[in-house]
Amino acid sequence: GAGVSQSPSNKVTEKGKDVELRCDPISGHTALYWYRQSLGQGLEFLIYFQGNSAPDKSGLPSDRFSAERTGGSVSTLTIQRTQQEDSAVYLCASSLLGQGQETQYFGPGTRLLVL
Amino acid sequence: AQSVTQPDIHITVSEGASLELRCNYSYGATPYLFWYVQSPGQGLQLLLKYFSGDTLVQGIKGFEAEFKRSQSSFNLRKPSVHWSDAAEYFCAVGVYGGSQGNLIFGKGTKLSVKP
Repeated sequence: GAGVSQSPSNKVTEKGKDVELRCDPISGHTALYWYRQSLGQGLEFLIYFQGNSAPDKSGLPSDRFSAERTGGSVSTLTIQRTQQEDSAVYLCASSLLGQGQETQYFGPGTRLLVL
Repeated sequence: AQSVTQPDIHITVSEGASLELRCNYSYGATPYLFWYVQSPGQGLQLLLKYFSGDTLVQGIKGFEAEFKRSQSSFNLRKPSVHWSDAAEYFCAVGVYGGSQGNLIFGKGTKLSVKP
């Protein structure tokens, strides 16, 4: 079956612009996760969705970052007023929940470059 | 606080030699443990996971890992390395419960394979 997909694959933007990153999880997966991977910081957790609600937003680095999930499926991560330090690979993952099913499957990522 | 340590940043082995990548974790409860592999420009691929039961788990591509509670370790092994195994390897612990749902990753170990 289809895995996790993300779009765009690459995004180049200018400092101060807003960007939207999209994630399509594996069909039927109730949980969705966003992570950021950068050279200096490794893999960092950003946010976690159960269905359409986000019980854990603890990893969002600033109020410029927000995310939503609609219909228990697609999620969008929005970065407002981008800064150069936002340049990174943004990874999305999805999983089932409960009874030892919490294995996260990752998408290919979106590479964001802020000039 | 939960954490994962991968002591080796970079390892080089000869093709056909055995491999062991080290991983130590800090977690208060019985952990969910994972190994992922990332090839350049790619997302994270799951190699294997431990949730409970047999402490020696088998994964894809001939990899195995052993959970040792007394040492808080989950080391990854392969008896004979192939050139295609060159990649970066990440150990992770799953944190679930209450409002939490995420993976905490180690910094990764980059594997190079000599012909």
